[in-house]
This record gives sequence, structure tokens and C-alpha cells, in this order.
Amino acid sequence: EAQVTQNPRYLITVTGKKLTVTCSQNMNHEYMSWYRQDPGLGLRQIYYSMNVEVTDKGDVPEGYKVSRKEKRNFPLILESPSPNQTSLYFCASSLSWGIYEQYFGPGTRLTVT
Amino acid sequence: AQKVTQAQTEISVVEKEDVTLDCVYETRDTTYYLFWYKQPPSGELVFLIRRNSFDEQNEISGRYSWNFQKSTSSFNFTITASQVVDSAVYFCALSEAGRGSTLGRLYFGRGTQLTVWP
Repeated sequence: EAQVTQNPRYLITVTGKKLTVTCSQNMNHEYMSWYRQDPGLGLRQIYYSMNVEVTDKGDVPEGYKVSRKEKRNFPLILESPSPNQTSLYFCASSLSWGIYEQYFGPGTRLTVT
Repeated sequence: AQKVTQAQTEISVVEKEDVTLDCVYETRDTTYYLFWYKQPPSGELVFLIRRNSFDEQNEISGRYSWNFQKSTSSFNFTITASQVVDSAVYFCALSEAGRGSTLGRLYFGRGTQLTVWP
């Protein structure tokens, strides 16, 4: 089954404790991206990767890192999480950028206390 | 300034009513792409439709239709004879592809929560 998987689905952590949210797709997609969803703010792009060689910042990259060492994986790293990073996070992939629709993962609900 | 504006935060209708969700976008590019996504109460995000800037044809898919007007920078979404299952948050999104654009960026609106009552 073609899909984007994220782990964990739910995470409660404390300020400053490094964490990684994994994202993997099995569709051989070139493009991958991370978004956060907050009430009243919609979806905001954190980072995106056009392919394994190109990664760039989105709207709200502060406090996040990403890595695209291989095509299928695009982990999101929070080196020192803070309460303002409490949010619902979505990973997505698409065949390429531009006209191609995004396939979204199920989301990761992160709470930082 | 927001590149994609969905001015309607929440809309409530009764089943069988028609409802239009507005989306206004802002870009200087001549080449761009517009999308609608649906997020039902279960939380997943589902692609509905895409449009490129050179194709202003309106599209109909069952009870759904989309009206793309470059003159007003709008890409509105209409649900005819709404049903309870249409209750969801709907997002409009923009991807730019012109020179000077940041290729790969995808801009979402803040979403419209549609509630359809039985």
C-alpha cells in the first residue's frame, strides 16, 4: 500500500529533551516536506526537500532540523524542544514539486511541557 | 502578507444546502498551481483537486465544483447539496513556479471549517 508513515503518532516530552519524528514514504517520491498545524494558523511549512540533494526552509524553520540522507526518509529533529513547538505535525511527499499533489502522513501530535 | 487567504473561518449549513468556500491567492508569477485539500474529523489530509495557472476551465466532480478566476485571483470551491460527510476543514494551497520564486514552497491558507448539520 502506497503510504507515508510517521512515528511516533503521539509524543509528550519535556523542554530541552531532543527528539526525532521519523517520516518514511514508499512511493519513490522525490519531494518531501514537513508542516505544522496550529489552530487558526492552518498548515505552515517547516522544511522541504526537492530531492536528496536539496533541502530548504519553509515558513517556520526555527528550532527544527531535517535530514534527507536517502530518498524515502525525511526525519524531523527538534534539538531542544520548547512549549511553543507543541503542535500537530504532518509529513508529506509528492512525485515532485509544483503541480503534484502531496500525500500526507497521519500526523504526529507533539506536546512539550 | 498571506499568499493564500481563506476569509471564512467557519461555515455552518444544513444538509442539502449549497455552500461555497472562498480562496484568494496572491502571486506575481505567471506559472503557479493551486490545490484544495480536505481534512475530515479523523484528521488525515486528503487531496481534492489541482489547477495550473494556464487552465482556467472550471471543474465539476460529482457534487463538487471549482471556479478558478485569474482576474480576481480566486479559486473557489462549491459543494452542491451538502451532506453531513462533507463536514471537514478545507484548505486551499498555492505553489509558485516562476522565476524568482522559491521553488518547492507550498503555501496553505488557514482553512475553513465546514459543518453540515442533518
